[in-house]
Amino acid sequence: QQQVKQSPQSLIVQKGGISIINCAYENTAFDYFPWYQQFPGKGPALLIAIRPDVSEKKEGRFTISFNKSAKQFSLHIMDSQPGDSATYFCAGGYQKVTFGTGTKLQVIP
Amino acid sequence: GAVVSQHPSRVICKSGTSVKIECRSLDFQATTMFWYRQFPKQSLMLMATSNEGSKATYEQGVEKDKFLINHASLTLSTLTVTSAHPEDSSFYICSASSQGDNEQYFGPGTRLTVT
Repeated sequence: QQQVKQSPQSLIVQKGGISIINCAYENTAFDYFPWYQQFPGKGPALLIAIRPDVSEKKEGRFTISFNKSAKQFSLHIMDSQPGDSATYFCAGGYQKVTFGTGTKLQVIP
Repeated sequence: GAVVSQHPSRVICKSGTSVKIECRSLDFQATTMFWYRQFPKQSLMLMATSNEGSKATYEQGVEKDKFLINHASLTLSTLTVTSAHPEDSSFYICSASSQGDNEQYFGPGTRLTVT
């Protein structure tokens, strides 16, 4: 499987702050870039996704920024809340999805 | 909409026995289902992809005789772990997608413990 590199591995953010998670991919055939949120003991849930013909997508407090030439994309969580504390996975896909290594986010009050 | 269920949510079995895990799409037709394995504090690793009515395609390094996958209908796929050993203990997650849709909908996962 082609790699999707994700950083940081863990992140602590103050309530109300901005959480930023970065990913880089290798496979230029990827045409779908989703972000997933996973709580302990649960399956991942789709948070937001973007296609490579768009540079930015915003849904509520969540924004994906996409840089096709650099093969990088990032997730920004605005006004981070304790309920956002979870593990976040970026992914790249073409017919099937390759997951990044994950970022454990902790939002402290 | 787009709900995927898994059964059982947790299972404990003895070494040498076989265990079957079911994955169901409840409100859509899943032309493709995926099976993942996740170790603690690690990412999801794709094990195999199955299309309804066809043999599953296994990822490199996954033993197809060990992990039997059946996708007999558009709403059900099963993963059978045969002759389970303690190293097979893991969190198994399925996902499903419909034809022409990149988006995958994930099940809640099954925690397998082999003693």
